[in-house]
Amino acid sequence: GAGVSQTPSNKVTEKGKYVELRCDPISGHTALYWYRQSLGQGPEFLIYFQGTGAADDSGLPNDRFFAVRPEGSVSTLKIQRTERGDSAVYLCASSLTSRNTGELFFGEGSRLTVL
Amino acid sequence: AQKITQTQPGMFVQEKEAVTLDCTYDTSDPSYGLFWYKQPSSGEMIFLIYQGSYDQQNATEGRYSLNFQKARKSANLVISASQLGDSAMYFCAMKIYNQGGKLIFGQGTELSVKP
Repeated sequence: GAGVSQTPSNKVTEKGKYVELRCDPISGHTALYWYRQSLGQGPEFLIYFQGTGAADDSGLPNDRFFAVRPEGSVSTLKIQRTERGDSAVYLCASSLTSRNTGELFFGEGSRLTVL
Repeated sequence: AQKITQTQPGMFVQEKEAVTLDCTYDTSDPSYGLFWYKQPSSGEMIFLIYQGSYDQQNATEGRYSLNFQKARKSANLVISASQLGDSAMYFCAMKIYNQGGKLIFGQGTELSVKP
């Protein structure tokens, strides 16, 4: 597709379960970003990749959160032992590179609800 | 630490009138970019306008202009001739270029356009 694609769009899970959220960036974009947005708040940075490597993971809240991008395209955000506080919209974005002045292109997000 | 502050949680404007959404930022780094995004109720983040720290002129994109006052560290968004479709959340964001490509977002301002 032409834009950033995120799946699933909605995920409901139980506390303690494992969750994977997938992001397919715009073709050719080497930089990929994950953000978390709680209700009424601005997006909060989690991690970004330049190519296959995590260039900055300083926003990951704890070691239950992990993200991969093994082939430099699709990325998966993995959350272990989910907690109710993890409920949020997880946004993925991509850009041509991380070093240009261009904007980030966002997907429509994956809404995670932890019961 | 880098920070973006949006002090207006909500704003109202009459259709066809202009409105200014405030944004102040905090960084000691001389090389940065400032961005505004619109987030309608559908949830997608839509890029509106960009201003580089070294740009001499204020950025404009159609009905959007950015009032960049570097000494005051402010980057206010001006929307001229408001339309009903402008009703949305608006986020100001900053990218520090020697710290990679991540955007740091403010808390957002909810704009409501009245007919």
